[in-house]
Amino acid sequence: QVQLQESGPGLVKPSQTLSLTCTVSGGSISSGSHYWSWIRQPAGKGLEWIGRIYTSGSTNYNPSLKSRVTISVDMSKNQFSLQLSSVTAADTAVYYCARDVTFNTWGQGTLVTVSS
Amino acid sequence: QSALTQPRSVSGSPGQSVTISCTGTSSDFAAYNYVSWYQQHPGKAPKLMIYDVNERPSGVPDRFSGSKSGNTASLTISGLQAEDEADYHCCSYAGTVVFGGGTKLTVL
Repeated sequence: QVQLQESGPGLVKPSQTLSLTCTVSGGSISSGSHYWSWIRQPAGKGLEWIGRIYTSGSTNYNPSLKSRVTISVDMSKNQFSLQLSSVTAADTAVYYCARDVTFNTWGQGTLVTVSS
Repeated sequence: QSALTQPRSVSGSPGQSVTISCTGTSSDFAAYNYVSWYQQHPGKAPKLMIYDVNERPSGVPDRFSGSKSGNTASLTISGLQAEDEADYHCCSYAGTVVFGGGTKLTVL
């Protein structure tokens, strides 16, 4: 059974770039046809889709974040990554990685705080 | 503001049924059956409960059901149990992905 695990710094300074990695275990990130997404949730608020990468490497991003987001994949490490540039306090949230268009598998989430 | 609108809260007693609505504004939402629902307990990751409007993943009790009519999708939970108390999020994946604001279900 595929499992996902987010990792990365829990504290990022304003104006810097947030970088997170999602490690896939129990299966190969390159096998089959899957979408790999990033989703975030500010404390006490709803979920916000950030973007996704397909097995082929093509990407789709939330239009509201598109100018600041890059999602990439490293097949050799069975990981995919998120970079969010020019962060502000509004980017403070729990960040999740998830699989497929239906988000049938989620990581446990990692809290990222933007603060100086 | 979310592109999908959910009630902030709903409640019901054990054994009763509750329905959570999710209203979309895009033509894609109405035209395609690409709606999913997630259950989220405090401090936990969301869990897929319904996809493609009314399909249940393996392991999800048949007390959970989904439907859609026009611009409104619904999640119905019958035979409410204490463990159903959680936040529920709807999602549309027709075109770009959007979530609702979430609904807190309280089991009285």
